[in-house]
Amino acid sequence: SQTIHQWPATLVQPVGSPLSLECTVEGTSNPNLYWYRQAAGRGLQLLFYSVGIGQISSEVPQNLSASRPQDRQFILSSKKLLLSDSGFYLCAWGGNGETQYFGPGTRLLVL
Amino acid sequence: KQEVTQIPAALSVPEGENLVLNCSFTDSAIYNLQWFRQDPGKGLTSLLLIQSSQREQTSGRLNASLDKSSGRSTLYIAASQPGDSATYLCAVTSGTYKYIFGTGTRLKVLA
Repeated sequence: SQTIHQWPATLVQPVGSPLSLECTVEGTSNPNLYWYRQAAGRGLQLLFYSVGIGQISSEVPQNLSASRPQDRQFILSSKKLLLSDSGFYLCAWGGNGETQYFGPGTRLLVL
Repeated sequence: KQEVTQIPAALSVPEGENLVLNCSFTDSAIYNLQWFRQDPGKGLTSLLLIQSSQREQTSGRLNASLDKSSGRSTLYIAASQPGDSATYLCAVTSGTYKYIFGTGTRLKVLA
């Protein structure tokens, strides 16, 4: 069965510090991978998606970036965090228009 | 631009009651619609997926219906239990890689 891992589970970072969140998927190959952010009281905002290694599509302009160095690895990064980057970050995988499977999430607090 | 709305934002019901959660979307050209459950501080779990050609899907005490022409879906929960307490989100996709989520309905079932 498919499993999706995210780490860390919780992160507290100062403004201006770098960020690296990692997501890995097991039990599937060549998945579509997604990064979402969920702010308090708001829905899920799609940040990035990837249909293959090195292929990244960005949905919203921001100071975050994503990379996919391996088929089942998806990384979310920032060079300098902003207060507004605080939120709950979710990684997901899914096929074209089919069910999405979500990881456990990373709660990021930028102070 | 597709927009997904969920009403009500929060709902509190006594145990055993049957209830309906609503989801509406502005663009009827969807590929499928999904309902998810999210427990506090956790990732999303897929509950039901309805293809655009389908009218409804059932899983246990859950029944989801889809009226694509009117841009509406409902999630019916029969004989609610305290364990059903969670946030319920719906999401639509037009068949591309992009999923659009509603802001969710926070359900509390009182024992």
